[in-house]
Amino acid sequence: EADIYQTPRYLVIGTGKKITLECSQTMGHDKMYWYQQDPGMELHLIHYSYGVNSTEKGDLSSESTVSRIRTEHFPLTLESARPSHTSQYLCASSWSYEQYFGPGTRLTVT
Amino acid sequence: AQKVTQAQTEISVVEKEDVTLDCVYETRDTTYYLFWYKQPPSGELVFLIRRNSFDEQNEISGRYSWNFQKSTSSFNFTITASQVVDSAVYFCALSEAGSWGKLQFGAGTQVVVTP
Repeated sequence: EADIYQTPRYLVIGTGKKITLECSQTMGHDKMYWYQQDPGMELHLIHYSYGVNSTEKGDLSSESTVSRIRTEHFPLTLESARPSHTSQYLCASSWSYEQYFGPGTRLTVT
Repeated sequence: AQKVTQAQTEISVVEKEDVTLDCVYETRDTTYYLFWYKQPPSGELVFLIRRNSFDEQNEISGRYSWNFQKSTSSFNFTITASQVVDSAVYFCALSEAGSWGKLQFGAGTQVVVTP
């Protein structure tokens, strides 16, 4: 089982602010993923990475960006937050096919 | 293209009743993987099981059991003798062998277990 951490767990921020959602895992997994999910709804893949310096956009278009400079760290950045970004953001990692998820960040943009 | 359908939006049961969650998938690949995840109210997704396309053996883990049938492209999940702690949203997911681990999730089924 992976240990995967996300901070902050909850964030309320004003429109136009720049934010970074942190995601770290301690299992040395090569693959990492970001999903966006409205409460109780379907998960949508927005970014993924297969290793250091590898990042790809997911199936759902997102204004966010990601970086993968270290294996264990996969932060997501929004340069200018908008109310439409209000959602839950889930990070996951994997070494095979099953993904292990962090606790999520619930973002509210006012 | 791959697709996962969970037709049941919400299922409500009384404690100790059995509940079966349906999952139907579509894929052109002959090698693929199927998953079930649980999402309790806290929001974190918990991995429950992975099934490979070449292994149709059903599996039981405690009160949980899974029925994989390639002939009907289904991967159903049964909770026996449900408990209040089983209340959650359950997601079925599919990954094709060539997708490098990317998961396609179904819309989820909300299970509500009342005492």
